[in-house]
Amino acid sequence: EAQVTQNPRYLITVTGKKLTVTCSQNMNHEYMSWYRQDPGLGLRQIYYSMNVEVTDKGDVPEGYKVSRKEKRNFPLILESPSPNQTSLYFCASSLGGPTTYGYTFGSGTRLTVV
Amino acid sequence: AQKVTQAQTEISVVEKEDVTLDCVYETRDTTYYLFWYKQPPSGELVFLIRRNSFDEQNEISGRYSWNFQKSTSSFNFTITASQVVDSAVYFCALSEAGDSWGKFQFGAGTQVVVTP
Repeated sequence: EAQVTQNPRYLITVTGKKLTVTCSQNMNHEYMSWYRQDPGLGLRQIYYSMNVEVTDKGDVPEGYKVSRKEKRNFPLILESPSPNQTSLYFCASSLGGPTTYGYTFGSGTRLTVV
Repeated sequence: AQKVTQAQTEISVVEKEDVTLDCVYETRDTTYYLFWYKQPPSGELVFLIRRNSFDEQNEISGRYSWNFQKSTSSFNFTITASQVVDSAVYFCALSEAGDSWGKFQFGAGTQVVVTP
């Protein structure tokens, strides 16, 4: 089944403890992106990647890192999480760019930082 | 600056009523793309429609229809004869083909509540 898989689905952590949210897609998509969803703000783009080893900042990149060493994986790294990063996170992929093909989204990761 | 505005935070209707969701966007690009996504209570995001800036034809897909008007920078979405399963958050999104290519900007979303 074609899908974007995020793990974990739920995560509670403490301030300052590094964490990684994994994202993997099995559709051979070139384009991948991370979003966070907060009430009243919709989805805001954190980082995106147009291909392996090519990443760029979205609208809210502060406090996050990403890497794209393989086409299928695009992990989101929080080196030192803070409570304002408590949010619902979505990974998404697109065959050649969301402009043309739209996105396939993962199921989301609900992160709580205490 | 917010490029996609969904002014309606929540709309409540009774089943079988029609509901229209407003989306106003802002861009200087002549080539851009507009999208609607649905987020049901289960949380996943489901693609509904994509429209490019050169295609102003309205579209109908079953009970869903979209009205794209460049003159007012709007891309409104209507659900006809709403059903309980239509209860969800609906997001409008903009993708620009110019310098902002690769960035995909969502509106804040409109919660639709359909009661029996």
